[in-house]
Amino acid sequence: AQKVTQAQTEISVVEKEDVTLDCVYETRDTTYYLFWYKQPPSGELVFLIRRNSFDEQNEISGRYSWNFQKSTSSFNFTITASQVVDSAVYFCALSEADTGTASKLTFGTGTRLQVTL
Amino acid sequence: DGGITQSPKYLFRKEGQNVTLSCEQNLNHDAMYWYRQDPGQGLRLIYYSQIVNDFQKGDIAEGYSVSREKKESFPLTVTSAQKNPTAFYLCASTRDTNYGYTFGSGTRLTVV
Repeated sequence: AQKVTQAQTEISVVEKEDVTLDCVYETRDTTYYLFWYKQPPSGELVFLIRRNSFDEQNEISGRYSWNFQKSTSSFNFTITASQVVDSAVYFCALSEADTGTASKLTFGTGTRLQVTL
Repeated sequence: DGGITQSPKYLFRKEGQNVTLSCEQNLNHDAMYWYRQDPGQGLRLIYYSQIVNDFQKGDIAEGYSVSREKKESFPLTVTSAQKNPTAFYLCASTRDTNYGYTFGSGTRLTVV
């Protein structure tokens, strides 16, 4: 069975600090996809990134960066120079193997990030 | 703009009543999903549908029912058999799970 663990329940930082959100996953599949979603106070989950299991290259998008390491089954998310608008709950998720049809995402329990002035 | 519309945003239900949550998408996605979110528990899958007139139970289907008569619509009924229905409900759709989901803005259900 697939599993996603986000051990950090809540993180508080002061604006402009860097913060890393951890994600550890378990799967028996050799082909899989990993995701990060942001849930602001409004409630809707916003897609941030998708990464397939064959691409371990780190990715940077503005202040966001992701570190994917298959050796440790981790897909960590770093926000550089955090801002108050980054305050949200962040979810890591894992998809089942590509069967050509839609399957299911397994979500972690989320990390609540609070950025204060 | 394409997207998913959930209604209502807030819903209050008396104990013993059934209530239906609406989910409509205009993204032409085949697959649709219902998740329940409780504080500290992340998202738990209730039901999902990969095609019209077909759906499968998720991890916590007891006390819920769904239908998929149209590609665009996937309503969720919370029945009186659901003992603890107060939660935030999210609907999602996808053309391919490997590309992730598109989510609606959610319905917050409260039993009064």
